[in-house]
Order: sequence, then C-alpha cells, then structure tokens
Amino acid sequence: GESVGLHLPTLSVQEGDNSIINCAYSNSASDYFIWYKQESGKGPQFIIDIRSNMDKRQGQRVTVLLNKTVKHLSLQIAATQPGDSAVYFCAVGDTGRRALTFGSGTRLQVQP
Amino acid sequence: EPEVTQTPSHQVTQMGQEVILRCVPISNHLYFYWYRQILGQKVEFLVSFYNNEISEKSEIFDDQFSVERPDGSNFTLKIRSTKLEDSAMYFCASSVGDLSYNEQFFGPGTRLTVL
Repeated sequence: GESVGLHLPTLSVQEGDNSIINCAYSNSASDYFIWYKQESGKGPQFIIDIRSNMDKRQGQRVTVLLNKTVKHLSLQIAATQPGDSAVYFCAVGDTGRRALTFGSGTRLQVQP
Repeated sequence: EPEVTQTPSHQVTQMGQEVILRCVPISNHLYFYWYRQILGQKVEFLVSFYNNEISEKSEIFDDQFSVERPDGSNFTLKIRSTKLEDSAMYFCASSVGDLSYNEQFFGPGTRLTVL
C-alpha cells in the first residue's frame, strides 16, 4: 500500500530564513500532492497542492517541488515567520480515489 | 470565509458506548470525508461520502462505524460500540468536487476519549 514518510520530525529555523520540509512517497502512480499546516488544536489547513504533470508550483511565500523520479516532494517557505510555526504534513492522492494518505508530519519551529 | 465545523470539540465516553460525531461541511461542497489521528500518529483516512452513499472506505472503517447525512447540512460519524483504541482526533473534511481538482477543507476536529 501507499506509504508516505518525512525526513525530519522537527525543523528549527531562524525568523527570516527559508525553510525546506521534505517528504518521500512510495507509490509511483500517485498523481496529486498536497501540503497541509496544522496548528495546535486545529485541523489541517491547506497550503498548496501540485499535480503529477508539474514539477514546481508557487504560492505566496511557498513553493512546492515534485521530483517524480525519486518520488520526493518538498515545501519551501520563504522568509519564515513566527506564525509559520506548526506541524506540516504532506498528503498524497490518486486520481479516482477519495482518500488522502498523510505523512507523519514535521514540526517547524521558528526562532525569533 | 466558509469553514467546516464540528461538534463536540471533546467527547468522553465509556468503552462499549455509542458515540455520534457531528460535522457541518461547507454548504456548496459535494464530497464529505472522515479522518482520524491517534495521538502522535499520522492522519488516517476513514471514509468518503458522496450523493448519500459511501464512495470509499479504509480498513479502519469496519462494521462498528457508520456515516449519515441526516439532513441537508449535517454529516455524522457513528461508532456503535467504542473501544479504547478508538481514542483519537476525528476530522471531518469536505470538498467541492473530485479530489484531483479540489482541495479538502478540514474541520477543527473532535477529540474522542474512550475510558
């Protein structure tokens, strides 16, 4: 079955630095990839998504990179702010299926 | 901004009791989901629901679980006879259309504690 993993459980960065959070997935047939942010006591909040026909997508201060060759996904946050402190999950989906498969999460800590 | 809401925020129950977790999806959304997150673990898919029927379910979603859309706004998850291992955060989500083209919006969750 699908498995999704993250490289680091905790990432600590200085305010203003760029952050990179990584994710690996195992199913080469996966074609939809999402990053969610989860703050304490809240549900996952959509950040950005990308489909398998793309390798890069940019949003406001965030960029998602997809490398299908090595089945790797990353989230880049520019000029990280204290409000970015949260747990970040990657999630993977397949066309025709409703289920999202979530990774185990990376905690981002932003030091002032 | 429209959002998914869930009640209660915290439910404590005795093992063997039935619980119903409630969700109000975003009003123009057509697909509804339940996920759970055991403390310290990944968010896990339970079930998806469309057009008044289950469209997909995971191995976790056994005969003890059921979902219902009793009216035009609520979406419920029922656990008939709770077990200790059902203790988790339960998240409801909804999306406008097919997964590939529409993000799933998550509610704040219900923390279920089974004693």
